[in-house]
Amino acid sequence: NAGVTQTPKFQVLKTGQSMTLQCAQDMNHEYMSWYRQDPGMGLRLIHYSVGAGITDQGEVPNGYNVSRSTTEDFPLRLLSAAPSQTSVYFCASLDRSQETQYFGPGTRLLVL
Amino acid sequence: RKEVEQDPGPFNVPEGATVAFNCTYSNSASQSFFWYRQDCRKEPKLLMSVYSSGNEDGRFTAQLNRASQYISLLIRDSKLSDSATYLCVVNPIRYKLSFGAGTTVTVRA
Repeated sequence: NAGVTQTPKFQVLKTGQSMTLQCAQDMNHEYMSWYRQDPGMGLRLIHYSVGAGITDQGEVPNGYNVSRSTTEDFPLRLLSAAPSQTSVYFCASLDRSQETQYFGPGTRLLVL
Repeated sequence: RKEVEQDPGPFNVPEGATVAFNCTYSNSASQSFFWYRQDCRKEPKLLMSVYSSGNEDGRFTAQLNRASQYISLLIRDSKLSDSATYLCVVNPIRYKLSFGAGTTVTVRA
């Protein structure tokens, strides 16, 4: 089991560029989510999905899009990067039976 | 008001010491509570769930006080490897977790 994987690990973007952060899990979890973590703040939920074809907004969705075409994959798209999106992004999947979130290793994004 | 608030610390303790810290939560309807551990620049990992009656996992003890809406974590006989940031996590809405900003613990030799 690879668990939750994320690519890339690091990324530098210029303002206005777009990109997709990849996330995949091999645990057959239905629930997946994206968080961002900024200094002095807790993880904040961006978007989440309760199953293939179903997504919803979290606490800070503006500037991000998601899709869930398969159970395994949950990519996060930055439409037009802004410096305020400089952050560490974590993807997670949830084992509902244990209410345990498994996190990927994170993507560190710098927007110049 | 933040949903989950924690004392950021840092708590600097010598090896072998006991350290304890709390977090408070605002949603009285919250049903599930957890402590996650996050090492520097790594992903958070579940340390332990917190049950109403309190629970232990080795040197770690978690307590829940619903009346005052706080949970606590106590670490006994601290090890160097316990140095980390501890995240308080509350489940106010099913499957949507709220995270505190974390309490940093540094154990020194």
